[in-house]
Amino acid sequence: QKEVEQNSGPLSVPEGAIASLNCTYSDRGSQSFFWYRQYSGKSPELIMFIYSNGDKEDGRFTAQLNKASQYVSLLIRDSQPSDSATYLCAVRDDKIIFGKGTRLHILP
Amino acid sequence: EPEVTQTPSHQVTQMGQEVILRCVPISNHLYFYWYRQILGQKVEFLVSFYNNEISEKSEIFDDQFSVERPDGSNFTLKIRSTKLEDSAMYFCASSDGQERGIPFGPGTRLTVT
Repeated sequence: QKEVEQNSGPLSVPEGAIASLNCTYSDRGSQSFFWYRQYSGKSPELIMFIYSNGDKEDGRFTAQLNKASQYVSLLIRDSQPSDSATYLCAVRDDKIIFGKGTRLHILP
Repeated sequence: EPEVTQTPSHQVTQMGQEVILRCVPISNHLYFYWYRQILGQKVEFLVSFYNNEISEKSEIFDDQFSVERPDGSNFTLKIRSTKLEDSAMYFCASSDGQERGIPFGPGTRLTVT
């Protein structure tokens, strides 16, 4: 059974700073990795996906993948109060397998 | 941009009753999924469905659960005899099979009393 591990937080970051969210996964053969954002009471919303080692940037978001270390991270630059949410790391094994999520709180 | 839709947004039922949760996947998608999230817990996979049959199910998806694609657009999850512990958010998702993230519907909050 593939597993995804995340620190549950909460992670508190001042507005305007960089938020760094981390995740590890159990299956070395995993190929596809995702970050979803989930606001309280809402459904998960895909914000980034990454397949290749290295960095992938999309606006204020950068996903980083290190397959040798089985490690995925998400950086959020210029953090805004609206970024306060739970961030779910996920891997794809036909279906999506989620971690428990990290609660991020941006301090105004 | 096309979206997955779900109805109802909130369903309240009594223990032992049957419920049907409905989903309309994105129209050109062929793979369909149900997930659930108990309050404060992780999003858990229930079942995946492709080509009119279940392709994978988790240990949560026992005989009380069933899925159906009754027509060309709807995808349903039935819980035959609800238990208190079935209270959760239920999310539908669909995919075109490409290696991208799977979009989720807004969810149905099921409350079993």
